[in-house]
Amino acid sequence: DTGVSQDPRHKITKRGQNVTFRCDPISEHNRLYWYRQTLGQGPEFLTYFQNEAQLEKSRLLSDRFSAERPKGSFSTLEIQRTEQGDSAMYLCAILRRGEETQYFGPGTRLLVL
Amino acid sequence: TQLLEQSPQFLSIQEGENLTVYCNSSSVFSSLQWYRQEPGEGPVLLVTVVTGGEVKKLKRLTFQFGDARKDSSLHITAAQPGDTGLYLCADGGNTPLVFGKGTRLSVIA
Repeated sequence: DTGVSQDPRHKITKRGQNVTFRCDPISEHNRLYWYRQTLGQGPEFLTYFQNEAQLEKSRLLSDRFSAERPKGSFSTLEIQRTEQGDSAMYLCAILRRGEETQYFGPGTRLLVL
Repeated sequence: TQLLEQSPQFLSIQEGENLTVYCNSSSVFSSLQWYRQEPGEGPVLLVTVVTGGEVKKLKRLTFQFGDARKDSSLHITAAQPGDTGLYLCADGGNTPLVFGKGTRLSVIA
């Protein structure tokens, strides 16, 4: 058990629709990360939070993407006007207190038709 | 921008064989992690190594970190079908991780 749950596990949507994913950390942690993984690639960093503050965004996070962590616990990642290129696995990871290793959730697999 | 290269990209072996996969970085690692990922799941941490020259063993898995902290290898002894998966190396620790593309291992019974 990595201490992270994600919902939904799978999402199929049509191009142009908005989608929202949720990450719920179970374990004590101080940082929460979002990554995206496309077929044949390793995960790529999107953004991360320390408590409620969004500290860094990668250039992959276009203006159609927005992430929030309203109370410093769960986080949401929204994609507006989805495109076929958004099809990927979206992974959430946490940094547990006192450790320097990230633990990943099971991911949300998005397919944009 | 740091680049992590993993080799081989694909590996298919028979149960009981030994294998080694490699990870090379364009710059010195701050903290190296090895993960295994099964289809449809998130990466699961196998080991973290920090010190150059470090060797860690996890049952049938042996991880070596190069003296210059720019390369690493993962050796599996007597592979089993349960070892099948995508092996990823990553750098970063408490900073955003940089991953290689992984080695996809298939162990055939």
